[in-house]
Order: sequence, then C-alpha cells, then structure tokens
Amino acid sequence: GAGVSQSPSNKVTEKGKDVELRCDPISGHTALYWYRQSLGQGLEFLIYFQGNSAPDKSGLPSDRFSAERTGGSVSTLTIQRTQQEDSAVYLCASSLGVGNEQFFGPGTRLTVL
Amino acid sequence: AQSVTQLGSHVSVSEGALVLLRCNYSSSVPPYLFWYVQYPNQGLQLLLKYTSAATLVKGINGFEAEFKKSETSFHLTKPSAHMSDAAEYFCAVSDRSNDYKLSFGAGTTVTVRA
Repeated sequence: GAGVSQSPSNKVTEKGKDVELRCDPISGHTALYWYRQSLGQGLEFLIYFQGNSAPDKSGLPSDRFSAERTGGSVSTLTIQRTQQEDSAVYLCASSLGVGNEQFFGPGTRLTVL
Repeated sequence: AQSVTQLGSHVSVSEGALVLLRCNYSSSVPPYLFWYVQYPNQGLQLLLKYTSAATLVKGINGFEAEFKKSETSFHLTKPSAHMSDAAEYFCAVSDRSNDYKLSFGAGTTVTVRA
C-alpha cells in the first residue's frame, strides 16, 4: 500500500477483555513504532521494532501490553485484560530505518467501557 | 533523555495573520526536530524536520521553522494563516542516544478566525 494502514479504525470493548490492534507498515520499512495518544498523557512511545533486533519495549505501560512483528512486516499490539485507562488512540509509524522520517498510520481509537 | 515543551495549548489567529507556534527542546546530544500536524480523526502528517543541515527549514503548506541552538528552540511559523490550517500541531525531538524514538510535546491547537 501507499502508506501505513491500521485496523480496526475503531474498537469498543468491555473492561477485562483482550484486544488486538494491527499495523501494516510501508513496504520495505525496517523500523516500526507504536505510540499512544490519550487525553491525559499526550503522545507517548510504546514499543519499537528494528529489523530482526529485539524490540525496545521500554515504553509499554504494563505487562498487559505486548506486541509482535511477524516476518519483519505486519505488527500486532495486544492489550490483555483491558482497563478504562487504556482508552486512547493507538498510532503506528514506520520508517526506512533508525533516524529516518517516521510515517504514521491513521490510528485505532480504542474505547474500553 | 530528550523532551519538548510547547508553549500554549491553544492559539487563535485571524485568517491572513501570522501563525507562530513555540517549541523548546532538551537533548543531551544533537537533536533531530520535527513538526507534525494532525487534522481531526486523522493520523500525524510531517510538516517539516531539522536533521542538522540548514537551520531554517521549509516545509509543506507554507510553514517553516528555525533551529536556534543557543535558545534550544524550534518555533514554527507561517506568514499568512488559512482556514485549512486549523488543526493540532505537535513538536517532537529525537536523537541517536534513544534510537531516534520520538518524544512529543503536548500539542497546540490552532483555530483560524474568518
């Protein structure tokens, strides 16, 4: 595709349920980032993948959050046992490599009831 | 660690007036600096970036920003505001000490008055 795509665009779930958010980066981009945008915290880094290296998980807020990147392309962010404070827009970005411009997807708006 | 401070969470300008959005950064090593724009219900779009080349950077939609190391600033300007400039603007910093992960400011919402 021409840009970064994310699915679903909107997700409403009940507290305690697990959710999976998907990101399709731009073809050929080796770096992939997840960010979270929430009213109280602004835009914050969550996790970063670069090629085949171990991901940088330093921004994940709790062990309920995890992410994987299969085949160096598509990434899935999983939130287990969702809480109301997880409600936010989750943004994915990809870049050609470390230090290159990051291109952002449209985001997934997660609402936890 | 790097950080960004955006002065003013909300800026209101008249159509045709100067747009000035302020950004100050903190970084222990030479930074990369960015301005992103976000329209309602959309993702972030890069307006411009500074990566240690020319200090005056020109971006899309008539925006420009100047890197001033002595002031640790990277303010965004546009000489004449258009109604279509109404959006939220984010300043961000990254550097090699942190694998170039972006640290964002809190954002500035711009409204344009007719």
